[in-house]
This record gives sequence, structure tokens and C-alpha cells, in this order.
Amino acid sequence: DAGVIQSPRHEVTEMGQEVTLRCKPISGHDYLFWYRQTMMRGLELLIYFNNNVPIDDSGMPEDRFSAKMPNASFSTLKIQPSEPRDSAVYFCASSRPGGGNEQFFGPGTRLTVL
Amino acid sequence: KQEVTQIPAALSVPEGENLVLNCSFTDSAIYNLQWFRQDPGKGLTSLLLIQSSQREQTSGRLNASLDKSSGRSTLYIAASQPGDSATYLCAGNSGGSNYKLTFGKGTLLTVNP
Repeated sequence: DAGVIQSPRHEVTEMGQEVTLRCKPISGHDYLFWYRQTMMRGLELLIYFNNNVPIDDSGMPEDRFSAKMPNASFSTLKIQPSEPRDSAVYFCASSRPGGGNEQFFGPGTRLTVL
Repeated sequence: KQEVTQIPAALSVPEGENLVLNCSFTDSAIYNLQWFRQDPGKGLTSLLLIQSSQREQTSGRLNASLDKSSGRSTLYIAASQPGDSATYLCAGNSGGSNYKLTFGKGTLLTVNP
């Protein structure tokens, strides 16, 4: 089976531009998580969904960040407008029902905001 | 708020050594704990999951244990190999949620041939 798929793998944009990151979870997984990784802060949970419904978005840093999950096989994380301090690697992960919340990660999107 | 500390931050060993990586939690009420491996520029690979009713898990040369009373976990790697070189991260649930994982900063392991 394919793992978690993320696109793009790399994104370079200029400050003020809108950025959209995409994620396809593993088929059959009902939890989806968005994380951000930086050298300073490590891995931080931004938001997670269960059955396409956002459950906890307390980790979203600002109103510039938004996430959606229109169906079970697709989620987006949007930053508008982007700022240089948003530069990080963004990971998507998913877990299956009854799996003890074992989370499986995608390859990540490396975002650079100039 | 759950905080996770991993010791040591970096470790360099010769090939063949057995080694232990440590992880501690400020909130010992851990529902489940997961150990990951991260190679440079890559995503996280799940190594072992210890669920609420368990105390340890084994996979090949890896063994992870969890002591809930102290809020500590260890990852034991037997007969280390150069291919084991990576950053190892532990993560546990926090804030009363079984799904919100809090991560440590990781241990960078280098196994020298």
C-alpha cells in the first residue's frame, strides 16, 4: 500500500504569497495530523482531524494558517499570507481506527519563504 | 503541558555496540508511546508503539520499554550497525488526549564502521 503522500516536496515562495500544502492519508485511516518541524522548536502538532472533522486546532500558530479535509483522502494546509518565519518542514501523518494511534508520516514539504 | 526530554542529544558509537536511548515525560499519564526514526531530509518512520496496556515492544534488534510510574522510556538497540545512523525521536500523548503526540527533540545517533 502507498504511504502518506504529500505535495509539493519543496516549495519556495516570497513573503506575502499564499501557500497550499497537500496530503493524501493512507487509505482506511480515519485520523489525519499536520505537524511542523523546525530546528528551534522540533516537531509540533498544528491540527488534527477525525473522520474529516477538525478535532483540535490549538497548535495552529495564527489566523494565517488554515486546514481543511473535504474528504477522507485529501487534506490541505494553507498559509495566507506567508512570512519568512513560516519556513519549516511540514509533515502530514495518519492513523487507523483501533491501531493504538500509531501514526504514519509522509515525506514532508520543505517550505522556504523568502 | 506535556514536555518530553531525550538524552543524550547525540551519541557516537562503534559498530557492534549495544546502546540505550532515553526519553522522559513530565506528565507520566501516558496513554501510548511511539519511537520513530528520521533520516536526514526524510520523514519519520515508525519503529515501535507501546500501547496503554503494554510495557515493552520488540522488533528485531530494537526493544522499547515504558515505565509509566516514572514517565520514562528507553529504546535499546542491539549490535548496532552503520545503517542505524539516524535521529531517533520518542513521542507520547499529552493533555488528556489519546491522539495529541508530544515529541522530544531527538537523539542523533552515529554508528561508525
